[in-house]
Amino acid sequence: GQQVMQIPQYQHVQEGEDFTTYCNSSTTLSNIQWYKQRPGGHPVFLIQLVKSGEVKKQKRLTFQFGEAKKNSSLHITATQTTDVGTYFCAAPNDYKLSFGAGTTVTVRA
Amino acid sequence: DVKVTQSSRYLVKRTGEKVFLECVQDMDHENMFWYRQDPGLGLRLIYFSYDVKMKEKGDIPEGYSVSREKKERFSLILESASTNQTSMYLCASSLSSGLGSVDQPQHFGDGTRLSIL
Repeated sequence: GQQVMQIPQYQHVQEGEDFTTYCNSSTTLSNIQWYKQRPGGHPVFLIQLVKSGEVKKQKRLTFQFGEAKKNSSLHITATQTTDVGTYFCAAPNDYKLSFGAGTTVTVRA
Repeated sequence: DVKVTQSSRYLVKRTGEKVFLECVQDMDHENMFWYRQDPGLGLRLIYFSYDVKMKEKGDIPEGYSVSREKKERFSLILESASTNQTSMYLCASSLSSGLGSVDQPQHFGDGTRLSIL
């Protein structure tokens, strides 16, 4: 079945720097969703992308959906300690939402 | 705001016990889900329900059953708990854009950390 692959698995970032996490699929996606899970917390929905080439911003977070709707990225600028956590992408697959393995972000102050 | 409430944050049970995990949502969502989350394995779907009394097996249904007698409540049952079912269990709900459709964002509860001794 369809799977979404997420890279990197871990991202260690210096506070103030930028980074990007990627989500890839071998099949065309109807939409892609991004979630954030803080340490000890539960996944929280961030955003949904539906259109080919769509770009959405939430403050320092920029989400992009590829032209072919097979990949997506999350770019964070000027990383802060509040960005710590695991970021998951997820895509509908028949009767379920397939989650990527997540990118776990740690921040060096 | 959507509220998904799981009955316990932490639970300790013994091998062989029948265990009930309860989940209630207050936003009239059609879809409800049970996941387990283990280090290195991500989120794995156990069962999914798209309507009252309706259920679908997820990726790892073995050893589990579910019950949805009312729209707002979705229960996960471990028929005979085993140590390999020690995990974090997450309940989620979502609106449906069509019967059985799961393309809408999911809202998660705080999770139940279950230990089977």
